[in-house]
Amino acid sequence: NAGVMQNPRHLVRRRGQEARLRCSPMKGHSHVYWYRQLPEEGLKFMVYLQKENIIDESGMPKERFSAEFPKEGPSILRIQQVVRGDSAAYFCASSPNYNSPLHFGNGTRLTVT
Amino acid sequence: ELKVEQNPLFLSMQEGKNYTIYCNYSTTSDRLYWYRQDPGKSLESLFVLLSNGAVKQEGRLMASLDTKARLSTLHITAAVHDLSATYFCAVDMDSNYQLIWGAGTKLIIKP
Repeated sequence: NAGVMQNPRHLVRRRGQEARLRCSPMKGHSHVYWYRQLPEEGLKFMVYLQKENIIDESGMPKERFSAEFPKEGPSILRIQQVVRGDSAAYFCASSPNYNSPLHFGNGTRLTVT
Repeated sequence: ELKVEQNPLFLSMQEGKNYTIYCNYSTTSDRLYWYRQDPGKSLESLFVLLSNGAVKQEGRLMASLDTKARLSTLHITAAVHDLSATYFCAVDMDSNYQLIWGAGTKLIIKP
């Protein structure tokens, strides 16, 4: 049973470009969560999705950031017009249902130059 | 606002020694988690502590929770090099995903 798969592992974007981060949850998991980790810090919650629905996006910046989890395919975290401050590791986690332990992917390290 | 503080933030120790990492949090919480992160890797769940006085052990690691003191400890016994990693504690209020994370303790164990 493959774990949570994130790609790409590393992503370099110039300021103003778009970044698209993908997350395939574990088999049987329909709940997906995105977190951001700045260097030397813990994770910060961004958004919680369940198939085709955003359940909680209270941690997501209002502008430039969006997330989706379509009926088919991976969850996508999209950052438009990236700025240097967006450079961070972005982790995805999944769970089979609400309040179950989370399983984390290996993260996507975004560098904005 | 819930805050989670870990100390120390950095710890270098010799193999064979014992040490404790502390995690303080500022308000009541239902659950406390300990995670391990290796450089460039994901987070591995170590322990979930659910109630006051809870103690869990796995190998050379033992975690405990005192909800009255709002304190959790992660104790390392007879450290070995393989335990070198960054250890995070995280606390939740109402849900498993809205965790508030400590800044992490970077542990280096020298042979």
